[in-house]
Amino acid sequence: EVVLTQSPGTLSLSPGERATLSCRASQTFSSSVVAWYQQKPGQAPRLLIYGVSNRATGIPDRFSGGGSGTDFTLTISRLEPEDSAVYYCQQYGSSLTFGGGTKVEIK
Amino acid sequence: EVQLLQSGPEVKKPGTTVKISCKVSGFNLTDHYMHWVQQAPGKGLEWVGLVDAQDGDIIYADKFQGRVTISADTSLDTAYLELRGLRSEDTALYYCARIKPGAHWFDPWGQGTLVTVSS
Repeated sequence: EVVLTQSPGTLSLSPGERATLSCRASQTFSSSVVAWYQQKPGQAPRLLIYGVSNRATGIPDRFSGGGSGTDFTLTISRLEPEDSAVYYCQQYGSSLTFGGGTKVEIK
Repeated sequence: EVQLLQSGPEVKKPGTTVKISCKVSGFNLTDHYMHWVQQAPGKGLEWVGLVDAQDGDIIYADKFQGRVTISADTSLDTAYLELRGLRSEDTALYYCARIKPGAHWFDPWGQGTLVTVSS
């Protein structure tokens, strides 16, 4: 099973700052099959990024994804208060697994 | 509009069985893979398994193999998740979510069904 490790566990930043979230895989897989989700309290996850770097419909361009091999990142270029949430990465190249999540707090 | 509408919250005693549903609209159940994802209170997301309603293929994550049954009724446009021998650690939100053929991402997700196991 591919284990996805997300870091940091919690990120506390101010509005307008840049957030970089990491997702590291325990082994390589077809690297185009990585997605990112945003989950706010009391809500279902929402798709942000698929295919490593493609934004889902309606997702602001301040969200971007990148990476390859075993290292993937989600970047939020200019944090807005509404970006406060937990973010999960997910792969479907070898079975299907999620990372443990990174909580983004806005100061 | 594509929608996944899940059944309401359940409270069950240990050792019993629960079956929750996910009714889809706006697309054909047979044209997509329907998945289930578990989220324990305050925890992350864990994949449970999937059903391909077109050919009946069902795949379970190793952790859930043996105690879970995923199914689909195409006449009702509904997918199901059944958990048997419930224990306290099964207390969680269970989400259904769609993956299109050839894709690897979940979109959309159902609103979630809370299953509480308590004596």
